[in-house]
Amino acid sequence: DIQMTQSPSTLSASVGDRVTITCRASQSLSTWLAWYQQKPGKAPKLLIYETSSLESRVPSRFSGSGSGTEFTLTISSLQPDDFATYYCQQYKTYLWTFGQGTKVEIK
Amino acid sequence: EVQLVESGGGLVKPGGSLRLSCAASGFSFSRYTMNWVRQAPGKGLEWVSSIGSGGSFIYYADSVKGLFTISRDNTKNSLFLQMNSLRAEDTAIYYCAREKYSDYVPTGAFDIWGQGTVVTVSS
Repeated sequence: DIQMTQSPSTLSASVGDRVTITCRASQSLSTWLAWYQQKPGKAPKLLIYETSSLESRVPSRFSGSGSGTEFTLTISSLQPDDFATYYCQQYKTYLWTFGQGTKVEIK
Repeated sequence: EVQLVESGGGLVKPGGSLRLSCAASGFSFSRYTMNWVRQAPGKGLEWVSSIGSGGSFIYYADSVKGLFTISRDNTKNSLFLQMNSLRAEDTAIYYCAREKYSDYVPTGAFDIWGQGTVVTVSS
């Protein structure tokens, strides 16, 4: 199975900061990588699919990049609504795996 | 409105069974691959199972293979998960989720999620 490792596990940041979360895969994924945001008590929300495609109605301050085994989610200017937990997710050969999550906290 | 609504969760004893349902509305359910994803208390997300649009393919995570069965009824816009021989480690919120298509091509991402149904396995 493909293992997904996110870093950091927790990130403390201030409003307006540029934030980057990394996701590493145990084997090459091509571009089959998605990012989700989850707030407490809520279902996950799709932000980015196919590594860098922005889901509709998601603010443009979110962006994704990468290829192969290393991928990043960047929030260009952190907003109060962005404090949440973020998950990467890979899809390859009919198996899906999520990273362990990165919690973005208020500094 | 595009919507998924899960039901069927509850408290069950170890070794027991539950059948979860997910009712879809607002989109052409029969055209989409559907999935179950779970989240144990305080933990991350775990993909559980997927079923193709016409039931043409079915996949399971190793952790539930042989124990859970996914199915769908496209005439009733419904997705199901039959869970047998439940264990304490199956305690979680269970979400149904739709696979996103872009230009009619599957992306592997899940764009629509239900609110989840809670399954608790405890004696």
